[in-house]
Amino acid sequence: DAGVTQSPTHLIKTRGQQVTLRCSPKSGHDTVSWYQQALGQGPQFIFQYYEEEERQRGNFPDRFSGHQFPNYSSELNVNALLLGDSALYLCASSLELAGGDTQYFGPGTRLTVL
Amino acid sequence: AQSVTQPDIHITVSEGASLELRCNYSYGATPYLFWYVQSPGQGLQLLLKYFSGDTLVQGIKGFEAEFKRSQSSFNLRKPSVHWSDAAEYFCAVGRDRRMIKAAGNKLTFGGGTRVLVKP
Repeated sequence: DAGVTQSPTHLIKTRGQQVTLRCSPKSGHDTVSWYQQALGQGPQFIFQYYEEEERQRGNFPDRFSGHQFPNYSSELNVNALLLGDSALYLCASSLELAGGDTQYFGPGTRLTVL
Repeated sequence: AQSVTQPDIHITVSEGASLELRCNYSYGATPYLFWYVQSPGQGLQLLLKYFSGDTLVQGIKGFEAEFKRSQSSFNLRKPSVHWSDAAEYFCAVGRDRRMIKAAGNKLTFGGGTRVLVKP
């Protein structure tokens, strides 16, 4: 039973650049959520995708956008990178039919912005 | 608005001793509560969850948590800590599943408690 996978593991970018992070949900799951975890803090919700639509969004600027594909995988895009975007980006998946209440997390992508 | 507070930033415990991590939440409806553990540089692993019913829930790795509505708390406990329990622990609150389809299910996390285990 494949868990949540994310790529790449690590990424280094410079200010102003754009980045795309990828997530494959746990086998059978149809909902994907993204979180940002700054060093020493708890994860902060960015947005959630279900049926290829953004269903809920946290308090993040429009520079953060996403997409969900028909196979339920997802991408997180961040434009015009700032130093403050350096963080661990976590993807979580859940299954709507099972209630959608329990999210399972991937290992994360560590983004460093120089 | 939902919020979670973990009052203890760091806790140091001796191997074999008991452990209790505190979590207080604020949520306007029936809370769905979770504890996750994160090892250094890793993602989050679900330890246990509470939705309804028995207020004492058992999880993996010998952990348990008790829901106390009157105190808005969901504290995590382990009777005897092992060196491998050294990690960061996060409490989170989510939405009642009856509301998720329409409104989504944002998890709100506390700031975490880092557990150090002394030999």
